[in-house]
Amino acid sequence: AQSVTQPDIHITVSEGASLELRCNYSYGATPYLFWYVQSPGQGLQLLLKYFSGDTLVQGIKGFEAEFKRSQSSFNLRKPSVHWSDAAEYFCAVGPRTSYGKLTFGQGTILTVHP
Amino acid sequence: KAGVTQTPRYLIKTRGQQVTLSCSPISGHRSVSWYQQTPGQGLQFLFEYFSETQRNKGNFPGRFSGRQFSNSRSEMNVSTLELGDSALYLCASSPGAAAANTGELFFGEGSRLTVL
Repeated sequence: AQSVTQPDIHITVSEGASLELRCNYSYGATPYLFWYVQSPGQGLQLLLKYFSGDTLVQGIKGFEAEFKRSQSSFNLRKPSVHWSDAAEYFCAVGPRTSYGKLTFGQGTILTVHP
Repeated sequence: KAGVTQTPRYLIKTRGQQVTLSCSPISGHRSVSWYQQTPGQGLQFLFEYFSETQRNKGNFPGRFSGRQFSNSRSEMNVSTLELGDSALYLCASSPGAAAANTGELFFGEGSRLTVL
């Protein structure tokens, strides 16, 4: 069965500091991988996705993620965090023909200190 | 291009009642998926509809049901509400057809259900 683990429930960083959110997955084949962000009371917004090719993918808002097949990881990074990045971040995995079903991690809450 | 629209945004019900939530997908998207989000269980897949047919479903009791109309709008219904059904219900749309499918889901802002 597929699963996604986000080891960090809550991360606190200072504004301007770098950020790395961890994501490990278990999947039988090469999956499609996603990072979503959710602000309080809002839906999920896609930050970036990995399907194939270059293992370093760029997303919106200055985020990037690196797919490491050998480590079954898809960590999200940002070189300099802004206060507006405070939100909850979800890693998700699914097949190409997911028929709407993605498997999500439990989420990581990001707090940004001024 | 308008995003995914969910109504109502907030609602309060009592145990034993039923509720119907509505979702209008992005124009041109034919697949609609539903998720339940709770603090304890996180995001859990309920079901997915494509061309008015349920194509995939998660592990929820039969009290949770859905349907899709010819214009791709979808509704989900929860009957005999329980306290544990309190959650944010998220709808997501995607193109749905295999050739256009990238696995990416576009989410609405959700319907917050409170069961008292």
